[in-house]
Amino acid sequence: GAVVSQHPSWVICKSGTSVKIECRSLDFQATTMFWYRQFPKQSLMLMATSNEGSKATYEQGVEKDKFLINHASLTLSTLTVTSAHPEDSSFYICSAATSGSLHEQFFGPGTRLTVL
Amino acid sequence: GESVGLHLPTLSVQEGDNSIINCAYSNSASDYFIWYKQESGKGPQFIIDIRSNMDKRQGQRVTVLLNKTVKHLSLQIAATQPGDSAVYFCAENPSGYSTLTFGKGTMLLVSP
Repeated sequence: GAVVSQHPSWVICKSGTSVKIECRSLDFQATTMFWYRQFPKQSLMLMATSNEGSKATYEQGVEKDKFLINHASLTLSTLTVTSAHPEDSSFYICSAATSGSLHEQFFGPGTRLTVL
Repeated sequence: GESVGLHLPTLSVQEGDNSIINCAYSNSASDYFIWYKQESGKGPQFIIDIRSNMDKRQGQRVTVLLNKTVKHLSLQIAATQPGDSAVYFCAENPSGYSTLTFGKGTMLLVSP
């Protein structure tokens, strides 16, 4: 149980285009989903927290207009990287939690984004 | 140890040895701690957790020790195997918050 999937697993795009990454909880309802970014040989940095049906809460320094997050259902959250640039190339990881246990996060397998 | 720039601290051990990975956490208000294992190109995988009212917890081949006085956490892996090779992160959860703060990570290399 508690499986989280991400799609796509990797994506290559041209600079200036937008890319959407999906995060799904497959066997449970996720009231809260988290998006992280991880650069090579570095730790996971929290970008934003999204609760189903409400606006995401972004961490300091993360541009909300550039990283659009939508959490429209209890099993799906999307992250859209708008007008992507090479510096946005990174490993994006989502996690999901239920309302009864917010600190217990289940992580997706990650999405490797490469912007040319 | 502490990482500098893009260099992850690395622990190299022989198969069968015991491994100890250390982590210093920052927030004295944190009351929940987790160790994760991350293999290359994959998401973090839960290993073991511990609450601040405990100082030791054991799992299968793993033990987590918590020293709140010096804000230090360690993960001990018994009889380390090549499949244990990965990057290990500690994470802390401050009381009342849903977010996790990850430590810098340690790469464990196990040679046969």
